[in-house]
Amino acid sequence: GQQLNQSPQSMFIQEGEDVSMNCTSSSIFNTWLWYKQEPGEGPVLLIALYKAGELTSNGRLTAQFGITRKDSFLNISASIPSDVGIYFCAAPRPGNTPLVFGKGTRLSVIA
Amino acid sequence: NAGVTQTPKFRVLKTGQSMTLLCAQDMNHEYMYWYRQDPGMGLRLIHYSVGEGTTAKGEVPDGYNVSRLKKQNFLLGLESAAPSQTSVYFCASSALRTGIYGYTFGSGTRLTVV
Repeated sequence: GQQLNQSPQSMFIQEGEDVSMNCTSSSIFNTWLWYKQEPGEGPVLLIALYKAGELTSNGRLTAQFGITRKDSFLNISASIPSDVGIYFCAAPRPGNTPLVFGKGTRLSVIA
Repeated sequence: NAGVTQTPKFRVLKTGQSMTLLCAQDMNHEYMYWYRQDPGMGLRLIHYSVGEGTTAKGEVPDGYNVSRLKKQNFLLGLESAAPSQTSVYFCASSALRTGIYGYTFGSGTRLTVV
């Protein structure tokens, strides 16, 4: 249904490497949101996407709204230790119901 | 700006005890939410509110009650705590019901039930 599937579930990368993660669904969405949760904190909104095909950057982070409207992608370039955390995708469901969240991708950066 | 403030930050309860988690927001947001986060499970919605005096059930409401007596506060209650309620609890708020501009989250309450 309107579940969001994130992959990978976790990843360990070397500092300086680029990172790619994605969020997919069998449903169409009109908005995609990406959050980062640092250890011991609540999720913080990184990027919001509102149009199919849209590419939006926030520093070293770039997110894309898939053209099918069923997926979204987040890339991090030249990772650094402070990129560590859990990255969540989220999307609003029809009918004014609360956001649906993916289960997150846990990123670990090895210095 | 404080944003969303949750109290307490940590708590240990014995099975069967009760407690209330407090969430306060200073952004004049209409909509508020309670989530729990467990390893590998992501964020699961417990209850939410679309305005002062209203509450609604989310995905995992059993064992919890909520109240929204004032617009800025959203309380989550556990009447008889169980070990299965050991979790990290997050409160969030939003200006729009659709959530298209995202939610603002608090920093969480880590609850352990022994």
